[in-house]
Order: sequence, then structure tokens, then C-alpha cells
Amino acid sequence: DAKTTQPTSMDCAEGRAANLPCNHSTISGNEYVYWYRQIHSQGPQYIIHGLKNNETNEMASLIITEDRKSSTLILPHATLRDTAVYYCIVNSRGGSEKLVFGKGTKLTVNP
Amino acid sequence: DGGITQSPKYLFRKEGQNVTLSCEQNLNHDAMYWYRQDPGQGLRLIYYSQIVNDFQKGDIAEGYSVSREKKESFPLTVTSAQKNPTAFYLCASSIWGLGNEQFFGPGTRLTVL
Repeated sequence: DAKTTQPTSMDCAEGRAANLPCNHSTISGNEYVYWYRQIHSQGPQYIIHGLKNNETNEMASLIITEDRKSSTLILPHATLRDTAVYYCIVNSRGGSEKLVFGKGTKLTVNP
Repeated sequence: DGGITQSPKYLFRKEGQNVTLSCEQNLNHDAMYWYRQDPGQGLRLIYYSQIVNDFQKGDIAEGYSVSREKKESFPLTVTSAQKNPTAFYLCASSIWGLGNEQFFGPGTRLTVL
């Protein structure tokens, strides 16, 4: 069962910020939001995760709304190498969890 | 360099043959996973293992088998019972307790002729 909703595709100009939305209106209190991306014909790559506070690392920023029903992954200065499918996943933390990958958002960064 | 290796990258087999896909990690991770990906689709979990000599079925285990005799190795056998084996197969690993932060290998693309 999909817990998240993402747009099928998005475009972004190189050097601009890419903002990828994700809706997770049924998220429960102990569930985190995780983001992965998959460049064509490669394995997925973990990007970032958060519970309720905004998070930032060297790859991206994650903004979670106050009601936690949606979030946005931000790539501050998109490059051509950021072209990939981005997956938003909601899951509780602890143990060895089963990740449920939906179809994600295909982000195309254009020169 | 620490990481996960899968070999080979491309594999061709005749229909009716069993085939074993290799997955090795030197990250000292306890948990390992196998996923299948079909064109334009997300990943689906086949099997996972949290410790040596133990593994659990995922969502699409039928026609597949695994073993976990060593911490660093988690081979997947695609048997002749798997009706549509042609797919992209991905192996992943994680620290126990951080199963949502998985490290993936480069994948093996299996084509059954």
C-alpha cells in the first residue's frame, strides 16, 4: 500500500533549486520520511530522512510541514548529474525495516 | 573502499535454467536485502536477512531462494519456477536497527531467453 504520493515527473534548469514534493497525509507519529534517488540503471542511493524538524546534509534539504502531512526535498543547485528518479518513503524506524518503493518522481535537469 | 558488489552486471540464461546472483558487502552490515525492479516500476522486496543463517520472505518470494551462510554474502537463486525472471535485481545492506538507511549495490540485469 502506497503511503506517499509524488508527481510522476518534474523538470528543472541546471543551477536552479529543484523542489520535489511528497504527500504523506496518513503518516503516524513514529514514522519518518526518507528520500532515495536512483540514477538510470544504478542502485538507489539514500539521500536524507527526517521526523518533524527540517534537515540538511551535503546532498539536500528536507522540509517537513508542521502537520507532517507533506514534505519537500530541495536540491539547492541542481546539476545534470541530479537527473534521476526520486523516491519518498514513509516508515517507522528500528529493526530491519522493509522499504516500500513507489514509482517516485522522475527529475530531469536541463542544461 | 567499503561497499556492495553484485556480479555480473548483465546475465543471460535460457528458460528453465536456475541462475544464482552474487551479492557481497564489506560494510560489516548485519542486514541484507534482495529487490526486483521491472521497467518503469519501483522496487519490490524478494527476501531479506537480519542475521546469518536466518532470512525472511518479502513480498514476491515465489520462484526465488536465498542463503545467508556468511555475514558478508547473500546470494539469490532465480529458479525455473519463477515465471517472469527477466528483471533488474538489486541487493542492499544496512546496519541492524537502521533498516531504512540501506546501501545498494549496482544491480544485475538478468535476461532469460
